[in-house]
Amino acid sequence: DQQVKQNSPSLSVQEGRISILNCDYTNSMFDYFLWYKKYPAEGPTFLISISSIKDKNEDGRFTVFLNKSAKHLSLHIVPSQPGDSAVYFCAASERGAGSYQLTFGKGTKLSVIP
Amino acid sequence: DAGVIQSPRHEVTEMGQEVTLRCKPISGHDYLFWYRQTMMRGLELLIYFNNNVPIDDSGMPEDRFSAKMPNASFSTLKIQPSEPRDSAVYFCASSPHTGTGNAEAFFGQGTRLTVV
Repeated sequence: DQQVKQNSPSLSVQEGRISILNCDYTNSMFDYFLWYKKYPAEGPTFLISISSIKDKNEDGRFTVFLNKSAKHLSLHIVPSQPGDSAVYFCAASERGAGSYQLTFGKGTKLSVIP
Repeated sequence: DAGVIQSPRHEVTEMGQEVTLRCKPISGHDYLFWYRQTMMRGLELLIYFNNNVPIDDSGMPEDRFSAKMPNASFSTLKIQPSEPRDSAVYFCASSPHTGTGNAEAFFGQGTRLTVV
């Protein structure tokens, strides 16, 4: 049973436009959420995170939105650039477990078309 | 810091052989994780350590898999005997301890294992 779901395996966006990647979770104990970016033949790299006490976190072109009631988060990239083309993973952790372990979605492959 | 270092980057082995994957976490990080990535299951946690002690190995698929962390700067994941279905990319990651109880994990570049 997947606790973190990314229902769109792929997404294509024109350069300069907004990219919106979505993620849903089922475990109500999750209280910390992260987005990772992965290029081929490399490990995932941390992009941005959000704690459950917030509903928005912004870092440059990247913004993560959290809707706790809907158990949904999204990553907005604006403007999108060709270098953003990668696989994006949503991840979540449960503070109460005190474990720091992350549960990942299966990823969304973003293609930014020049 | 050079980041999390994994070796080898690629491993091709025959079914039945023993395979050992190696990881050097970032210095000062208290947590070490082993993940496996496959097309079918995505990134799944196999086992993690806190201060060199295995905390949760519930993700280890079978007894053929074992992991050790003899000291703070080194960990191994061993598969014995290996099977074709073990073919995947194996990632090691480490995290620091933080006062908030939350921290991102830093990943190595992975080991692509192919069992033929």
